Parts: sequence; structure tokens; C-alpha cells
Amino acid sequence: KNEVEQSPQNLTAQEGEFITINCSYSVGISALHWLQQHPGGGIVSLFMLSSGKKKHGRLIATINIQEKHSSLHITASHPRDSAVYICAVLNTDKLIFGTGTRLQVFP
Amino acid sequence: DTGVSQDPRHKITKRGQNVTFRCDPISEHNRLYWYRQTLGQGPEFLTYFQNEAQLEKSRLLSDRFSAERPKGSFSTLEIQRTEQGDSAMYLCASSLSANYGYTFGSGTRLTVV
Repeated sequence: KNEVEQSPQNLTAQEGEFITINCSYSVGISALHWLQQHPGGGIVSLFMLSSGKKKHGRLIATINIQEKHSSLHITASHPRDSAVYICAVLNTDKLIFGTGTRLQVFP
Repeated sequence: DTGVSQDPRHKITKRGQNVTFRCDPISEHNRLYWYRQTLGQGPEFLTYFQNEAQLEKSRLLSDRFSAERPKGSFSTLEIQRTEQGDSAMYLCASSLSANYGYTFGSGTRLTVV
């Protein structure tokens, strides 16, 4: 069993839909990151959080430390949101990554 | 400072050859990390540096792999006697410290033929 599990693995949506991507982890962490990866490989950091909730534009990330679970929400999704979204947890000074959720948003 | 730079972006090499990749982190970042990502998977930790000191190496990093960060600035990752299984995206990231945000480079895609 992977230490960081994401669901779903693949997600398709119509433009405007509300998107939720889930991340569960089984190790102790000091922080959790949500990352976005576009084709070609570049990774962009979206959020780093250790408790509660953060919001940036149409993106919202939440974490429940007791349940070892985090969610990434995208409101009013747009085709430009199409990418792979990766959850990564900070454990003993290094990141452990999930396998990612591939999101495709159609017009 | 334009972020984390990796060179080359793509490398095709014949099996058995040696390859070297370079990563230039954000200048004030003390920490530098190397990760490897295969198709459809999340990145896997290889090694990291605090300034010039290599603090941890993954068991994934066989003796054919070596990484350096002379003077705590840029870093190189060398793979000797490449094998087809080494084909992957090699990602570099830097941060001020473990509990700060990470900045990733665009990666070096290695193909071993």
C-alpha cells in the first residue's frame, strides 16, 4: 500500500463543474503540499498546509490531521485547469508523493 | 532569479553510456532535492543536500548514481553505465528549508536506448 493515496486517478469534467480531489496518507507529516503538473513535466506548487484550509482564487485546499486526509477543490472549473494534480506529504525532511490525479476539463 | 533551472531538458543516450544532469537552484535556497518520475507515477525521492552536504540518499540510488553540490550552489546528478530502466524524468527542487515551499525545475527527461 502506498504511503500517499489519491483518488480518483482520472477525472473528467465539464467546464464550470465543482471538482474535488482526495488525498489520504498513512505516515506522520509536518506539512502537505498540493502540486500541479502540466504535460512536459513542469511542477508548480499550489498549496502547502499543515492545518485547516487555504484558498487561492478558485482553488481551495483542506486538511484533517486527525483523519490523515486532505482535499483539493476547484470551483467553476475551466479547460485551463486540465493537468495532473499531485498530493505530497513532508515526512522526515523529504516529500513523499502520491501518483497524481489526471484532470481533464472540457468546454 | 528565474527559478530552478535544469539542463539539459532532454537527453537520449545509448545503454552503457554515462550521463550528467545539472540543476541550478534559487540562489538563496539551502536545500536541493533530486527526484525521479516514471510515466504515470508520482516523483520518487533520490537524494537531498543542505548546502554542500548530502544528507540522505534513497535506496533507489544505486552505486551507479552519484550526486554532488560543490560549494552549496548548483548540483549535478551522474548516472554511470545507464540501463533502460533509468529512463525517466529527473526533477530537481529547492527550498529555504524543509518547512518552506518547494520550487521545482522543469526536469530532465532521460531516454536510454
